[in-house]
Amino acid sequence: TQLLEQSPQFLSIQEGENLTVYCNSSSVFSSLQWYRQEPGEGPVLLVTVVTGGEVKKLKRLTFQFGDARKDSSLHITAAQPGDTGLYLCAGAWAGSYQLTFGKGTKLSVIP
Amino acid sequence: GAGVSQSPRYKVAKRGQDVALRCDPISGHVSLFWYQQALGQGPEFLTYFQNEAQLDKSGLPSDRFFAERPEGSVSTLKIQRTQQEDSAVYLCASSFPGYNEQFFGPGTRLTVL
Repeated sequence: TQLLEQSPQFLSIQEGENLTVYCNSSSVFSSLQWYRQEPGEGPVLLVTVVTGGEVKKLKRLTFQFGDARKDSSLHITAAQPGDTGLYLCAGAWAGSYQLTFGKGTKLSVIP
Repeated sequence: GAGVSQSPRYKVAKRGQDVALRCDPISGHVSLFWYQQALGQGPEFLTYFQNEAQLDKSGLPSDRFFAERPEGSVSTLKIQRTQQEDSAVYLCASSFPGYNEQFFGPGTRLTVL
């Protein structure tokens, strides 16, 4: 079974602080996605990373794919209450159409 | 519509009842996925369709779960003789073939009493 481990599981920070969320596996991904999910809604795609070492930025969010394509991180600068939600990483392996999700990081940003 | 839609959004069933959950994928998306998301967990794969063909049903937890997509668009997930452990959010996602980015619907929250 191919597993994705996310850490931390829960994170509560003050508005304006920075944070990093991690996603790790022992297997090599062909691609990895980050999603954000709010209560009562489905996950919404934030970014897809494909190339080892790739860095993508989405406003205050920076996504990095590890050189070996086994890990990824999401860094949020100057967090805002609107960033509150469940952040999920999901990996796809070569030859597979399935996405395997981590358990998620539940982020709370306190005003 | 512009996105994936699911109905009903909420379903309460008594243990032993049958339920049917509907998914309308994004127009033109031939790939369709069903996931189960337990409280506090990430989504877990249930089954995959490419057009009307069910190519993978390895994630279905028991033979009480059945999915179909007869015309290659709308899909229905049916659960027979529901049990309390079936309580979860059921998510549907669609995508273009061979393209891993999946677009999710809002989910159906099933509660079995």
